Amino acid sequence: DAEITQSPRHKITETGRQVTLACHQTWNHNNMFWYRQDLGHGLRLIHYSYGVQDTNKGEVSDGYSVSRSNTEDLPLTLESAASSQTSVYFCASSEKGRGYTDTQYFGPGTRLTVL
Amino acid sequence: RKEVEQDPGPFNVPEGATVAFNCTYSNSASQSFFWYRQDCRKEPKLLMSVYSSGNEDGRFTAQLNRASQYISLLIRDSKLSDSATYLCVVATGGGATNKLIFGTGTLLAVQP
Repeated sequence: DAEITQSPRHKITETGRQVTLACHQTWNHNNMFWYRQDLGHGLRLIHYSYGVQDTNKGEVSDGYSVSRSNTEDLPLTLESAASSQTSVYFCASSEKGRGYTDTQYFGPGTRLTVL
Repeated sequence: RKEVEQDPGPFNVPEGATVAFNCTYSNSASQSFFWYRQDCRKEPKLLMSVYSSGNEDGRFTAQLNRASQYISLLIRDSKLSDSATYLCVVATGGGATNKLIFGTGTLLAVQP
């Protein structure tokens, strides 16, 4: 069955280290998204991509980067991890939009702790 | 003002009760509306889309009022398995470029 996976599921790192979170989907979706979820906030968009070689900044992109070299993967990199980046990170994907029935499918999440 | 606002709850209801959640959004140009469900420590999953005419899926009914920028979700005959956080979600951009704006969620706890 097609799916979307994230790895690692849990990660503890130290301030200042570079961290990369992986996201892989097998639906052949063009659109992929990274969100973070924190108490008191809804899911907030970090970066997104509408296809290979396309990347765009979301509302909370500072300190994060992404690259899209193929359809299946959108890795998220924290260039120099900060304690404020302790969060749960969700990757999502969707087909190219078809009216208002677009659905984003979420991965299981990565729980990141920055000490 | 947040783009999507929800009452955080928690809503504690007995099994069999009817419960309603409300949500308001600030961007009048928003084009698509959804309710997602998120179980504790899990990923959000689409519960249902919300259409202007209102729509029903079993025990769940969603309504949209564009004039008031208001969305609702009604759950009838609550089950223990309905316990979760319900996220109101609004899409902007439309077509191939839709972006989702999430509310902070309303926590529902159905009691036996």
